[in-house]
Amino acid sequence: NAGVTQTPKFQVLKTGQSMTLQCAQDMNHEYMSWYRQDPGMGLRLIHYSVGAGITDQGEVPNGYNVSRSTTEDFPLRLLSAAPSQTSVYFCASSYWIGQAANTGELFFGEGSRLTVL
Amino acid sequence: SQQGEEDPQALSIQEGENATMNCSYKTSINNLQWYRQNSGRGLVHLILIRSNEREKHSGRLRVTLDTSKKSSSLLITASRAADTASYFCATKRTDSSYKLIFGSGTRLLVRP
Repeated sequence: NAGVTQTPKFQVLKTGQSMTLQCAQDMNHEYMSWYRQDPGMGLRLIHYSVGAGITDQGEVPNGYNVSRSTTEDFPLRLLSAAPSQTSVYFCASSYWIGQAANTGELFFGEGSRLTVL
Repeated sequence: SQQGEEDPQALSIQEGENATMNCSYKTSINNLQWYRQNSGRGLVHLILIRSNEREKHSGRLRVTLDTSKKSSSLLITASRAADTASYFCATKRTDSSYKLIFGSGTRLLVRP
């Protein structure tokens, strides 16, 4: 199993450009999420999904779009990149065992480092 | 806003010593998890403790949870240079089944 795979690993954009960060998992996880990590800020949740066709906002969703057409893939789209979106982005997935149950452990990708000039 | 806050922000110890990191949170939780991140890598799950548990062990790791104080601690015993990493706590709040909220982390340096 590859686990959670993120591409690209590094990307440099100019302000106003758009791009998509790809995330794929091969563990048949229902739950997938995107976080951004900034120095001194820890990880902040951008968007998450509890299954194909179901997405919702996290703590910092502005400027980002997501979709979930398959169980395996959860791409993150930056519509018009801004310097404030310079960050390291992590995709994470887990088994989802029901709304009333506890969230299990998250499996993380290796991250995508994005610089917006 | 951050749900979990780790303390200290940075910790430097000698190999063989114990390392203790603390996490405080603000609202009621279902569970609390600890993760480790090596430099330039993704996070790796270490241990999960549920709100009805007070202590949990896994190898050299010991986690405690005090829901009355809204705090948790992670103890790494007999530390090794390979334990050098950042450690994060993450909480699943009772009012949000779908979100795992992370703190800002503790950077641990274990000197050989």
